[in-house]
Amino acid sequence: NAGVMQNPRHLVRRRGQEARLRCSPMKGHSHVYWYRQLPEEGLKFMVYLQKENIIDESGMPKERFSAEFPKEGPSILRIQQVVRGDSAAYFCASSRQGIDTQYFGPGTRLTVL
Amino acid sequence: RKEVEQDPGPFNVPEGATVAFNCTYSNSASQSFFWYRQDCRKEPKLLMSVYSSGNEDGRFTAQLNRASQYISLLIRDSKLSDSATYLCVVNLGAGKSTFGDGTTLTVKP
Repeated sequence: NAGVMQNPRHLVRRRGQEARLRCSPMKGHSHVYWYRQLPEEGLKFMVYLQKENIIDESGMPKERFSAEFPKEGPSILRIQQVVRGDSAAYFCASSRQGIDTQYFGPGTRLTVL
Repeated sequence: RKEVEQDPGPFNVPEGATVAFNCTYSNSASQSFFWYRQDCRKEPKLLMSVYSSGNEDGRFTAQLNRASQYISLLIRDSKLSDSATYLCVVNLGAGKSTFGDGTTLTVKP
């Protein structure tokens, strides 16, 4: 019973490039969450999605960031025109229902040069 | 005021000590509560859910006080392996969870 999977585990981008982070939820989970953890800071909620729907994106920066969870395939967090301040660990979590325990993937460490 | 506030720490305790962490939340409509631990900035892992009646799992005891909007975690007989950052999590329902900034615990021999 595979857990939440994220790839890549490490991603290096130069300023101005695009970063695509992928997350496959646990089997049987249809709710996906993205969090960002900046160096020396706590986890910050970014976005909550169900299949084909964004439920809550109140934590997403207004520009350059987008997320999707298509009917087929993993959830994608996309960061366009990355800047150094985007360097962080991005964690994905999934749950069976919106109120249930969230289980985390291993994260993607993004480094922007 | 933050939605979820935790003791800032760090807590440095000897092996065998008992240590308690506190967490307060601001939204009285919060529905579920959890403690997670995070090691060396790896992914957070669920430690335990928190119920009004209190719950215990081995050396760990969690308590919820809805009237005071307060959650606690007690660790008895601390082990070196308990060294981690402990995150208090409050869920409003509809998928909205807020994480505290965490309390760092270091257990020393």
